[in-house]
Amino acid sequence: EVQLVESGGGLVQPGGSLRLSCVASGFTFTSHGMSWVRQAPGKGLEWVSRIDGSGGDTSYADSVKGHFTISRDNSKNAVYLQMNSLRDEDTAVYYCAKEDTVVVTVGHTLHWLDPWGQGTLVTVSS
Amino acid sequence: AIQMTQSPSSLSASVGDRVAITCRASQGIRNDLGWYQQKPGKAPKLLIYAASNLQSGVPSRFSGSGSGTDFTLTISSLQPEDFATYYCLQDYTPPFTFGQGTKLEI
Repeated sequence: EVQLVESGGGLVQPGGSLRLSCVASGFTFTSHGMSWVRQAPGKGLEWVSRIDGSGGDTSYADSVKGHFTISRDNSKNAVYLQMNSLRDEDTAVYYCAKEDTVVVTVGHTLHWLDPWGQGTLVTVSS
Repeated sequence: AIQMTQSPSSLSASVGDRVAITCRASQGIRNDLGWYQQKPGKAPKLLIYAASNLQSGVPSRFSGSGSGTDFTLTISSLQPEDFATYYCLQDYTPPFTFGQGTKLEI
């Protein structure tokens, strides 16, 4: 059974830093990209970042580019989200999700997120 | 970034109804779109991938269609457990983007 367990959330002051972790089990970790998605209280889902299976390719939402960094440690089956210069608007539940992909043709790869972890709450407040 | 416009934002329906939720992309995204269901306090769950492929274990009353810029999630006969919020997600190119969500209520 695939399991994703996030940790590292908590209360942090504006301008502070936090590192989220997501530990995976039940699948071949290096064969899958991983994504982080967040949800502010009472709001919709916002895709944050993704990393491929090797860790060599990363992408970010414009809202976090330059102050969040995604990484992974394949020896620990873990993906991380380093969050710096945190702002009030970064307050959210952060989910990690496993990516499944299918290469349709050269230059066309389908991605989907399944499953998701239970989420970890980050609160940015003074 | 590609904008995903989802409609309606909320929808009232009854058990047994057929409902449709749409997502429109700001540019063509082939069939690179998924649909997710979220219940209060829970993580989202994948329903449909690649616009029209039903994820394993998802009831067949859920279906997806569309390609290019216009996509539809249809629930053929609403069950009590289907009352939730639904999101589309484009994975055509990063940054991936979600629609605003559709809250399906009784």
